[in-house]
Amino acid sequence: EDKVVQSPLSLVVHEGDTVTLNCSYEVTNFRSLLWYKQEKKAPTFLFMLTSSGIEKKSGRLSSILDKKELFSILNITATQTGDSAVYLCAYLSGTYKYIFGTGTRLKVLA
Amino acid sequence: GAVVSQHPSRVICKSGTSVKIECRSLDFQATTMFWYRQFPKQSLMLMATSNEGSKATYEQGVEKDKFLINHASLTLSTLTVTSAHPEDSSFYICSAEVQGDGEKLFFGSGTQLSVL
Repeated sequence: EDKVVQSPLSLVVHEGDTVTLNCSYEVTNFRSLLWYKQEKKAPTFLFMLTSSGIEKKSGRLSSILDKKELFSILNITATQTGDSAVYLCAYLSGTYKYIFGTGTRLKVLA
Repeated sequence: GAVVSQHPSRVICKSGTSVKIECRSLDFQATTMFWYRQFPKQSLMLMATSNEGSKATYEQGVEKDKFLINHASLTLSTLTVTSAHPEDSSFYICSAEVQGDGEKLFFGSGTQLSVL
């Protein structure tokens, strides 16, 4: 059965810290992996990864995919209180379903 | 980015009534929309895939007669929770796929359903 597992489930850090969030997957017919940030309601799109080893960056956030080892990481440097949210990873399967992981709840303290 | 509009944002209803939730893609056409359900502090659970002009595809364990999905146009999908019961209380969120720049999913703002 296809699945996506994220770790840690929750994380508390102080402003300025760097965090690494993990997403491992076991899927058939992988197409892409996506990262989202969910604060209160709608998840907002962060990254889409399809190729191994190519880092994607957006400001203080970056992400990379390892298709051989079946995982992805999301890095956030110099964290701010506004980074507090639930971070979700999802994969797009060969049957065109977006399946989400359990999420990592990040809290950044001032 | 693409905009997906979902209404209502919050609804409170009595047990036994039906509730309709609308999901619209505002600036693009969406042949496929997805409906998710989210319980507090849990992840998004895919309920069904809504395809324009055809029947929705439901995930295992989701009652299609209870959660009616209609995708009559390229910009509108609706989810109707029929004969709602307290256990249907949840956060329902729709999403639409935007193709062209890879396949990305954009979400509506969600509907918090409370059944009394």
